[in-house]
Amino acid sequence: NAGVTQTPKFQVLKTGQSMTLQCAQDMNHEYMSWYRQDPGMGLRLIHYSVGAGITDQGEVPNGYNVSRSTTEDFPLRLLSAAPSQTSVYFCASSYSSGSTDTQYFGPGTRLTVL
Amino acid sequence: AQSVTQPDIHITVSEGASLELRCNYSYGATPYLFWYVQSPGQGLQLLLKYFSGDTLVQGIKGFEAEFKRSQSSFNLRKPSVHWSDAAEYFCAVGLMNTGFQKLVFGTGTRLLVSP
Repeated sequence: NAGVTQTPKFQVLKTGQSMTLQCAQDMNHEYMSWYRQDPGMGLRLIHYSVGAGITDQGEVPNGYNVSRSTTEDFPLRLLSAAPSQTSVYFCASSYSSGSTDTQYFGPGTRLTVL
Repeated sequence: AQSVTQPDIHITVSEGASLELRCNYSYGATPYLFWYVQSPGQGLQLLLKYFSGDTLVQGIKGFEAEFKRSQSSFNLRKPSVHWSDAAEYFCAVGLMNTGFQKLVFGTGTRLLVSP
């Protein structure tokens, strides 16, 4: 049971490039989400999904796209990277969208946009 | 708007000494409250959570936290700190009735443990 996995661990992009951050979980969790962590700001919710085929925006969705074709995977796409997207990105999953459910976090992807 | 305040950016504690990390929240209803720990290069791990009932909550690794409604606080404590406790600690409030898991995080407190 690997839990929540994220790839890559590190990535450097140039402004305007696109990329996809991968997230997978093997716990059969319905709920998955993406956060970004910036110094002095805590974690902020980007997008979330309550099940396969269902996604919605969080607190800071601009510049990011998501899709959820399977229960296991929830990739985050940057279509045209900007320096403001330099951050550490965390994927999380939980059994359901209930606020009492424990969220399990992946190890993160550190992204630098030059 | 909902918010979580962790007033201490850094705290240094001697190994074996007691620890208290402060957390204050602003939320109109009874909150769901969480403490997470992030070790260097790792994701966040849940230490403990409070939803209702006993206001003193026990968590993993010997941590506990006390919910005080009158002070809007949820401070994290440990009676004797170990060097392996050095990490960043995040307090979060979970919002109710949003249809999704919305956690509002504090900015974190970095714990340093001196020998």
